[in-house]
Amino acid sequence: AQSVTQLDSHVSVSEGTPVLLRCNYSSSYSPSLFWYVQHPNKGLQLLLKYTSAATLVKGINGFEAEFKKSETSFHLTKPSAHMSDAAEYFCVVRGLWIKAAGNKLTFGGGTRVLVKP
Amino acid sequence: DTGVSQDPRHKITKRGQNVTFRCDPISEHNRLYWYRQTLGQGPEFLTYFQNEAQLEKSRLLSDRFSAERPKGSFSTLEIQRTEQGDSAMYLCASRASRDRGRVDTGELFFGEGSRLTVL
Repeated sequence: AQSVTQLDSHVSVSEGTPVLLRCNYSSSYSPSLFWYVQHPNKGLQLLLKYTSAATLVKGINGFEAEFKKSETSFHLTKPSAHMSDAAEYFCVVRGLWIKAAGNKLTFGGGTRVLVKP
Repeated sequence: DTGVSQDPRHKITKRGQNVTFRCDPISEHNRLYWYRQTLGQGPEFLTYFQNEAQLEKSRLLSDRFSAERPKGSFSTLEIQRTEQGDSAMYLCASRASRDRGRVDTGELFFGEGSRLTVL
C-alpha cells in the first residue's frame, strides 16, 4: 500500500521569498515520487520526479525537491517565488515495481500556493 | 497539438442522465489512465488500460461507470444514471510503456480534464 500526505493545504508567500511545500509518503516498495502542478483550468504538469537516482532532484521553473528516505519525505522548494507560481501542487507516489504495486499514481491532497506581490 | 485531449471540457447534466467523455492520448502512448478529481482534493485513480485491455479498476468505479478503449487508441468513460455525487473533474492521462525490464518510471501526461456538473 502507498499513501501521500501533504502537510499544508494552503501556503502563502510573498513574491521573491522562498517556497517550501511539505510531503511525506508511505510505500511498501521503493517508490517513484513526483511533484505535479495544476494551474486554474489547466492540466496537471510534471514539475520533477525522483526515481532512485540522485536524492536532490531539480525540476522546471526553478523548483527542486529532496528525497529523504529516513524521514520518508519529499519536500518541494524554490528559492524565490514568482507570481506565476500561484497554483495547486500535488505530491505523488508510485510503486517502482510494476507487478507488485501496479501502475497507478497516488496523489496527495494538494497544497494551494498563493503568492502576494 | 500533440498532447492528451479530452472532450467535452464541460458537461452539465440532470440527475439520471447518461454522459460520455472521450480521451485521445498521445499517439505513441499505449497506456491510458482515468482519474477523478473532486473540489479541493487530489486526483483519485479510476482505471487503467494497456492498449485495449483494461488491466485495473478502482473500487471507486461503480457499476454505473464503464470505460472502454476498443482499438487501443482513444478511450471513453461513460457514466449511467448520473448522481450529484458524480460531479467532478474527470482526468485522462497517458504514457508510453517502458517495461522491457520490470522497472517502470514513466511520466504520465495529463489532459485538461472534463468537468461534470450534475444538477
